[in-house]
Amino acid sequence: SQKIEQNSEALNIQEGKTATLTCNYTNYSPAYLQWYRQDPGRGPVFLLLIRENEKEKRKERLKVTFDTTLKQSLFHITASQPADSATYLCALDMGGNNRLAFGKGNQVVVIP
Amino acid sequence: DAGVIQSPRHEVTEMGQEVTLRCKPISGHDYLFWYRQTMMRGLELLIYFNNNVPIDDSGMPEDRFSAKMPNASFSTLKIQPSEPRDSAVYFCASSLSGTGYYGYTFGSGTRLTVV
Repeated sequence: SQKIEQNSEALNIQEGKTATLTCNYTNYSPAYLQWYRQDPGRGPVFLLLIRENEKEKRKERLKVTFDTTLKQSLFHITASQPADSATYLCALDMGGNNRLAFGKGNQVVVIP
Repeated sequence: DAGVIQSPRHEVTEMGQEVTLRCKPISGHDYLFWYRQTMMRGLELLIYFNNNVPIDDSGMPEDRFSAKMPNASFSTLKIQPSEPRDSAVYFCASSLSGTGYYGYTFGSGTRLTVV
């Protein structure tokens, strides 16, 4: 089965810097990959989707890359702000039928 | 739209009792998913429906778990009898079909504690 790896250690970053998170996966390459944000006590919120034939996707201060050779996605938050502090989860297509498998998430703490 | 609505937000029950979690998806969404989240295992897919029909329940841990979707605007997840190891946050999510064109919209979850 697909294994999804995200860094379990929190990323502490100074306000204004770029935060970069990694999502690695094993086995098959998904048709698409998604990133979500989760705040304490809340459900995940969809941020971005990138397909296997896309190298990069941007939305405001967010950027996602997808490298099917490395089996890796990078998630960047540029000009980070304290309000960006949250846990970010990557999610992969499970092979059709609109199902997603989620990583355990990587916490980001932006220090003012 | 009020988003995906789950109830209750918190549930504390004794081992052996029946627990029913409820979900109202976003109107017009044709997929509904039930996930469970724990620190150890993260988010696990339990079961999902397409157009009210259960498609894959292979993630349901045991026969003690059952889910129904009697119509497009309501789904339940039932645990009978409940056990302490069922303690977790249970999320319902809905989405539009499109093979990866759309993200999921999650509810706020039900935090279940079985004592």
